[in-house]
Amino acid sequence: GDSVTQMEGPVTLSEEAFLTINCTYTATGYPSLFWYVQYPGEGLQLLLKATKADDKGSNKGFEATYRKETTSFHLEKGSVQVSDSAVYFCALYSYSGAGSYQLTFGKGTKLSVIP
Amino acid sequence: DAGVIQSPRHEVTEMGQEVTLRCKPISGHDYLFWYRQTMMRGLELLIYFNNNVPIDDSGMPEDRFSAKMPNASFSTLKIQPSEPRDSAVYFCASSSPGSGIGTDTQYFGPGTRLTVL
Repeated sequence: GDSVTQMEGPVTLSEEAFLTINCTYTATGYPSLFWYVQYPGEGLQLLLKATKADDKGSNKGFEATYRKETTSFHLEKGSVQVSDSAVYFCALYSYSGAGSYQLTFGKGTKLSVIP
Repeated sequence: DAGVIQSPRHEVTEMGQEVTLRCKPISGHDYLFWYRQTMMRGLELLIYFNNNVPIDDSGMPEDRFSAKMPNASFSTLKIQPSEPRDSAVYFCASSSPGSGIGTDTQYFGPGTRLTVL
């Protein structure tokens, strides 16, 4: 079945450092790819998404490019802030026919940014 | 828009008791999802509905778990009887009709933190 593998956390960075969180996937079809973020005590919220190969999703300074050849969707940000401290989830949605679609989340990567 | 609403936010109960979690999706959304989040297993999809009809309940852990969606604006997840291993954060999410299956963004509620003693 479909699967998502994220880099293990936790990740601790100083403010203004460069961030990369790796995400790779396996899927039989043509999935849509998402990054969700979960701030402490809250539910997940969409950060960015890409629905086809070579698409780049971006939001709040974060970017991720859908790379079909490497089956990857790595999250990057050039300069992190303390307010970016959260858990980040890579997710894959693919349609498996008859109105049923596969929803797969990675295990999440906890990011802590220190001043 | 108020977003996805879940109640209660916190629930503490004793083993063997019945627990009912509630969710109100965003108005107009036709998909509703129930998830469970634990440190050990991460985020797991339990069940989802389309137009109030359960589509896939293969993630429901056992017969003690049941979910209903009597109308477009309300869903429940019930655990009877509850066990300590059911302790987790339970999220409800909904999604809006999009341009195609698999591209719909899911909007999550704040979650219900369940503790079974």
